[in-house]
Amino acid sequence: GDSVTQMEGPVTLSEEAFLTINCTYTATGYPSLFWYVQYPGEGLQLLLKATKADDKGSNKGFEATYRKETTSFHLEKGSVQVSDSAVYFCALRAGNQFYFGTGTSLTVIP
Amino acid sequence: NAGVTQTPKFQVLKTGQSMTLQCAQDMNHEYMSWYRQDPGMGLRLIHYSVGAGITDQGEVPNGYNVSRSTTEDFPLRLLSAAPSQTSVYFCASSYPGRYQETQYFGPGTRLLVL
Repeated sequence: GDSVTQMEGPVTLSEEAFLTINCTYTATGYPSLFWYVQYPGEGLQLLLKATKADDKGSNKGFEATYRKETTSFHLEKGSVQVSDSAVYFCALRAGNQFYFGTGTSLTVIP
Repeated sequence: NAGVTQTPKFQVLKTGQSMTLQCAQDMNHEYMSWYRQDPGMGLRLIHYSVGAGITDQGEVPNGYNVSRSTTEDFPLRLLSAAPSQTSVYFCASSYPGRYQETQYFGPGTRLLVL
């Protein structure tokens, strides 16, 4: 069945460090791919998305490229800030259903 | 515009009790869904609805019922609570079709079943 696998955390980085969170997927069709972010005590918010192969989603300095050949959608940011501390979820949409990864907790220290 | 609202914020139940988790949205979204969030498991889809009068099962529907009598409301019912249903529950909504990707999540309901 359809599923998403993302790297386990927690991840701790110093401010201005480079961030990569790996995400790979399994899907029978051509899913849309997403990254959601969850700040403490809140619901999830859409961070970025890509709907077809080779699309790059970007928002707030974060980027992810839909790679069909490696079934991946890795999240990257060149210089993280303390305010980026949150839990990040990779997800895919297959038809009317969404499948989420287990989440990766990121802590950025000054 | 309140977005997606959920009540209650926190609830403690005893095994076997029933309760309804409320979810409402004021954005006229046709698609609504319920997820549970458990440590190490991410979010798992329980039930979803693509419009009033239409519901369908997600990945983990057992032990939960839903109905969708209006566009605005999508309650989740636990008929006989079990400790395995201890979790954080999120409701989400979105426009249908290609706009469905931008789901708007509520703040969550934390449920403890003793």
